[in-house]
Amino acid sequence: GAVVSQHPSWVICKSGTSVKIECRSLDFQATTMFWYRQFPKQSLMLMATSNEGSKATYEQGVEKDKFLINHASLTLSTLTVTSAHPEDSSFYICSATHPTQYFGPGTRLLVL
Amino acid sequence: ELKVEQNPLFLSMQEGKNYTIYCNYSTTSDRLYWYRQDPGKSLESLFVLLSNGAVKQEGRLMASLDTKARLSTLHITAAVHDLSATYFCAVDTPNNRKLIWGLGTSLAVNP
Repeated sequence: GAVVSQHPSWVICKSGTSVKIECRSLDFQATTMFWYRQFPKQSLMLMATSNEGSKATYEQGVEKDKFLINHASLTLSTLTVTSAHPEDSSFYICSATHPTQYFGPGTRLLVL
Repeated sequence: ELKVEQNPLFLSMQEGKNYTIYCNYSTTSDRLYWYRQDPGKSLESLFVLLSNGAVKQEGRLMASLDTKARLSTLHITAAVHDLSATYFCAVDTPNNRKLIWGLGTSLAVNP
């Protein structure tokens, strides 16, 4: 079956630092990946659509310069949270389309 | 704008009884999904419903789709504690494959 991995599974960082999260499709190629964030007891919020070989498409209200997305290959997309602040603490989940969406295990980010 | 509404948002269930969760969506969609999420975990795919009248069953869960009514139901038969989780429905947007999510239904099964 289609498997999506994320790394790291959790990360704690100091305010002002940058954090990179990787999303990999392990047994299939994905031209499109999606990045979500989820706050406790809330639904998923789509942040951006990551397209291999082109710029990501960001949802309204998501800062492009703060959440950098790079989809360098058909099996890897990365999300970099730049100059992280405590309000960026959240659960970040990626998914890859094959053709329906398969979800990674998530990355829990805590910014101190 | 495509919207997805789930109800109820919270459901306290007794073991052994039957319950139904409803998912309404506002415009035409190609696919409807049901996912399960355990606390602190990511999403587990339960069902993908593609056409009007589609019915899928897995264990104590059965999902159905009525595209004319723009309604999907997730029926729980003889609830057991293991089913305690949050259940999300989501629909596909035809052009760009983004998923539009419901708010989720938090289920708790009590003895």
